[in-house]
Amino acid sequence: DAGITQSPRYKITETGRQVTLMCHQTWSHSYMFWYRQDLGHGLRLIYYSAAADITDKGEVSDGYVVSRSKTENFPLTLESATRSQTSVYFCASSRGGQGQYFGPGTRLTVT
Amino acid sequence: KQEVTQIPAALSVPEGENLVLNCSFTDSAIYNLQWFRQDPGKGLTSLLLIQSSQREQTSGRLNASLDKSSGRSTLYIAASQPGDSATYLCAEIPSSESGSEKLVFGKGTKLTVNP
Repeated sequence: DAGITQSPRYKITETGRQVTLMCHQTWSHSYMFWYRQDLGHGLRLIYYSAAADITDKGEVSDGYVVSRSKTENFPLTLESATRSQTSVYFCASSRGGQGQYFGPGTRLTVT
Repeated sequence: KQEVTQIPAALSVPEGENLVLNCSFTDSAIYNLQWFRQDPGKGLTSLLLIQSSQREQTSGRLNASLDKSSGRSTLYIAASQPGDSATYLCAEIPSSESGSEKLVFGKGTKLTVNP
């Protein structure tokens, strides 16, 4: 049972480059989420999705794009990476009313 | 806007002690509340989920309670061990967000259990 996986686990990129972080879950959960975690800010919601082809912005969505063509995948794209997007990114999923379950995270550094 | 507060931000206890971690929220209309554990450099591990109709949940040495009227939840850890050292996060879904399942997180309590 793989659960929820994220790739890559670590990524270093340069300012201005496009970067895509992948998230895959094997539970067929309807809901999926992207968070970033930074010291002093805690966890902040970037985007969420209630089902395939349904996405909506969270608290800190500027500079990010998501898609969800399949229930199990929820990629997050940084269109033009900036240093302020250096962070740890977590993907999570939920069946609905049954709690959220998190992936292991992707540590992204933008130089 | 719903806010979740966890006090203290850090706690250090000797091994074997029973302890309580606190979580408070501003709006008593919640859908459910979830406690997580996060080890350094790792993801969040779900510990306990309390639905709005429930008062408590138990798993092993952990017991979480929910008091909506006072806007509080507590996580009780019995007979603490060094392996319990981690950051504990409380998060809840306001009733207004039950359709989106969006969690509101506290900043966490960093627990250190000393041998």
